[in-house]
Amino acid sequence: GAVVSQHPSRVICKSGTSVKIECRSLDFQATTMFWYRQFPKQSLMLMATSNEGSKATYEQGVEKDKFLINHASLTLSTLTVTSAHPEDSSFYICSARDLVGRAQYFGPGTRLLVL
Amino acid sequence: DAKTTQPNSMESNEEEPVHLPCNHSTISGTDYIHWYRQLPSQGPEYVIHGLTSNVNNRMASLAIAEDRKSSTLILHRATLRDAAVYYCILRVLSGNTPLVFGKGTRLSVIA
Repeated sequence: GAVVSQHPSRVICKSGTSVKIECRSLDFQATTMFWYRQFPKQSLMLMATSNEGSKATYEQGVEKDKFLINHASLTLSTLTVTSAHPEDSSFYICSARDLVGRAQYFGPGTRLLVL
Repeated sequence: DAKTTQPNSMESNEEEPVHLPCNHSTISGTDYIHWYRQLPSQGPEYVIHGLTSNVNNRMASLAIAEDRKSSTLILHRATLRDAAVYYCILRVLSGNTPLVFGKGTRLSVIA
């Protein structure tokens, strides 16, 4: 089946630093990728939708200047958490949809801890 | 996307069948019923989806009510590896609309 990878799987950083998370579709091309965030014991919350070659669409309440999303190719999207703070500590999950647009595949997630 | 309602948690004995219900009384004609599950500390995993007819695959079966206002995910023999949060989600099949997750049902499997 289709595989989506994320890197890194886990990151610990100091408050005020920026962290970049990569999301790759390994065996298919993804015109659309989604970024979710999940706090402990809660469900996944959609942060943004990105289409290859265009600006991401952010959900209400998600700061676009804090969570920078780049979708430069059909197999790679990146999420950069700028000036991270402890409240940004969370499980970040990316998801990709294939060109047909029917199936949505999820990455394994990146656990971010900001000290 | 139309809203779904699931029980917060369910418990099953190992090797017993499990029926996970989902209510979606406001489903529209173009909404497909998708089921995903999330094991601890992992991303969600596709389980099954359907429109009107019951569906079977190697993981599970999906039974859809005739009026489509409810559905049931059936795991025929629960194993300890099936312990996860199961999400029932409505979405049209194509296009850029993302999957929107509710709270899901946390399934515990007892050995």
